[in-house]
Amino acid sequence: AQSVSQHNHHVILSEAASLELGCNYSYGGTVNLFWYVQYPGQHLQLLLKYFSGDPLVKGIKGFEAEFIKSKFSFNLRKPSVQWSDTAEYFCAVKHTGNQFYFGTGTSLTVIP
Amino acid sequence: EAGVAQSPRYKIIEKRQSVAFWCNPISGHATLYWYQQILGQGPKLLIQFQNNGVVDDSQLPKDRFSAERLKGVDSTLKIQPAKLEDSAVYLCASSYGTPVREQYFGPGTRLTVT
Repeated sequence: AQSVSQHNHHVILSEAASLELGCNYSYGGTVNLFWYVQYPGQHLQLLLKYFSGDPLVKGIKGFEAEFIKSKFSFNLRKPSVQWSDTAEYFCAVKHTGNQFYFGTGTSLTVIP
Repeated sequence: EAGVAQSPRYKIIEKRQSVAFWCNPISGHATLYWYQQILGQGPKLLIQFQNNGVVDDSQLPKDRFSAERLKGVDSTLKIQPAKLEDSAVYLCASSYGTPVREQYFGPGTRLTVT
C-alpha cells in the first residue's frame, strides 16, 4: 500500500528563516506529487504540484519543491518565511486510479 | 466560481446515534471524494466517486458508513451507528478531468461523538 511520510511534525521558525519540510513516499511507479496547505480556519488548498518535466516546481507564495526520484522525496522549501506562512502543510501522492494519499502533516509556526 | 460546499459545519452526537453529511461539489466536477481526518493525522480517503459510480471504497468501514451520489452531483455520507473513534473532520473534495490533476476541498464537517 502507498504510504507518505512527513518526518517533521512541528516546526517553529523566526521570520526570514529558511524552510524545508521533508516528504517521502513508498510507491515505486509513476507518481504525481502535491503539497497542500491549510491556514488556520481555512480549507485545504493546493500549494504546488509535480506531474512531469522539471523536477523543481514553483508554487504560490514563493514556495518550491524538488522531486528526487532516486530518493522517493518531494521536499518543500521556502527561502524566507513570513508570519503569514503559519499553517499546516500536507504532502500528497497520487498514482494510477486518481486516489490521493496524504502524509500526517507538518505544523509550521512562524514567530514574528 | 463557487467552491465545494459542505453541511453541517459542526455536529455533536452520542455514540450509537446516526449522522449524515452533505457535499455539493464544484459545478462540472465529475470526481468526488470523501476523506476522514482524525486530529493529528492527514486526510484518509473513505470513498471516491466518478459521476455517480464508486471508484474506490476500500477504506470505507461498510458496516457503519455508507455514501451515495445520486445523479452524479451532490453526495451524502452517513454513519450509523457512530462510535467514539469516528470523531474527526469529514472533508469533501472534487476534481475534474481524467487523469485528475488537482482537488478542491470544502471546509469540512467536524464531528464529535460523545
